[in-house]
Amino acid sequence: NAGVTQTPKFRVLKTGQSMTLLCAQDMNHEYMYWYRQDPGMGLRLIHYSVGEGTTAKGEVPDGYNVSRLKKQNFLLGLESAAPSQTSVYFCASSLLYEQYFGPGTRLTVT
Amino acid sequence: TQLLEQSPQFLSIQEGENLTVYCNSSSVFSSLQWYRQEPGEGPVLLVTVVTGGEVKKLKRLTFQFGDARKDSSLHITAAQPGDTGLYLCAPHNTDKLIFGTGTRLQVFP
Repeated sequence: NAGVTQTPKFRVLKTGQSMTLLCAQDMNHEYMYWYRQDPGMGLRLIHYSVGEGTTAKGEVPDGYNVSRLKKQNFLLGLESAAPSQTSVYFCASSLLYEQYFGPGTRLTVT
Repeated sequence: TQLLEQSPQFLSIQEGENLTVYCNSSSVFSSLQWYRQEPGEGPVLLVTVVTGGEVKKLKRLTFQFGDARKDSSLHITAAQPGDTGLYLCAPHNTDKLIFGTGTRLQVFP
């Protein structure tokens, strides 16, 4: 079992560019989450999904979109990147309450 | 907005010392989890506590959920360098977890 994987591991974007972060899990979990982690701010929930075809907003959804077309994948999109979106992004999945995290994607927007 | 506080924010200790970190809120939670995050990696679940007053032990780590289910503590006995990391508490609220900002622990040999 690979658990939760994230692609890519690192990325540098220019302001205004777009990109998609991919999260994949092989544990057949219903719930999937996208977080960002910034120094001193802890983990903040961006969007989450309670099942295939569903998405919901978290604490800081502005500037991001998500899709869950397949149960095992959860995509996070940035349509027009801004320097404020420089962060480490973590994906997680869970069956119920216990979340399993991926290794993170470090994104820098210049 | 639920206020979740973890203390202390930073802790540097020598190997062999004992320590306690705290997680406090004004809200009541159905359950609470503790995670540890090492540099460059995602958080890893340590324990889930569900019942008020519950105590769980994981080797040298002891976790307690407050009687009123508003707070929790993590006690580490005889800390080792391998305990170094960011300790996050995460109470459960409906279908989401709320993460605290964490306690960053450094254990020196």
